[in-house]
Amino acid sequence: SQKIEQNSEALNIQEGKTATLTCNYTNYSPAYLQWYRQDPGRGPVFLLLIRENEKEKRKERLKVTFDTTLKQSLFHITASQPADSATYLCAAQTGANNLFFGTGTRLTVIP
Amino acid sequence: EAGVVQSPRYKIIEKKQPVAFWCNPISGHNTLYWYLQNLGQGPELLIRYENEEAVDDSQLPKDRFSAERLKGVDSTLKIQPAELGDSAVYLCASSPGTSGSLDTQYFGPGTRLTVL
Repeated sequence: SQKIEQNSEALNIQEGKTATLTCNYTNYSPAYLQWYRQDPGRGPVFLLLIRENEKEKRKERLKVTFDTTLKQSLFHITASQPADSATYLCAAQTGANNLFFGTGTRLTVIP
Repeated sequence: EAGVVQSPRYKIIEKKQPVAFWCNPISGHNTLYWYLQNLGQGPELLIRYENEEAVDDSQLPKDRFSAERLKGVDSTLKIQPAELGDSAVYLCASSPGTSGSLDTQYFGPGTRLTVL
C-alpha cells in the first residue's frame, strides 16, 4: 500500500544550526510533494511545494529537495530559531487533489 | 481574508451519542476536505467535496459517518453513534480549485472530539 514515512518522530537541534527533515515514500510516484507546519492546537499551514521534475525549491530560510530515484524529499531550515519549533508534515499529492500525509516530525530548536 | 472556520473547537460526548462538526471554508474555495487526525499522526482524508458534490468519500466510514455540503459552501460532518475510537481532531480544509489543479490546502483549527 502507499506509504509516506517521516523517519524521525522528534528532532532537537541547537539554535542557528540547520535542521534537516526526511520524507520517504513507497509504492507510488507522487506528482508533487508538499510540506506543512503544524503548531499545537492548530491546523497545518502550507510551507512549500515541489514538483517531481524539480530538484530543489527555496523560500527564505527553507529549502526542499525531491529525489525521485531515492523516493525521498529533504526539508531544510537554515539558521534555525526557537520560533521554528513545531511539527512538520510531508504530504504527497497525485494528479487529483488528495494529499497523503506522513506522521510528522516534531522539531525543537534549543536556544 | 478570513481563514477556514470550524466549530465547535472542543466537544466531549459519551459513546453512542451523536455529534456534528461545522466548517465554513475560505470564500470562493471550490474544494472542501474533512480530515481525521489522531494524536501523533498526520491528517487522514475522510471526504472531499468539489462544490456540492462528494467526489471522494472512499475513506468515510459510512455506517456511522455522514457529511453534507449544501449549496457548495459550508459543510457539516456527523457521527452517529460515536464510539470511543472516534476520539481525535477533525480538521476541515479548503482549496481554490478542483481536481487536477495544483492547489495548496488551507486548514481550519480543528475540532477536538473526546468520546467517553
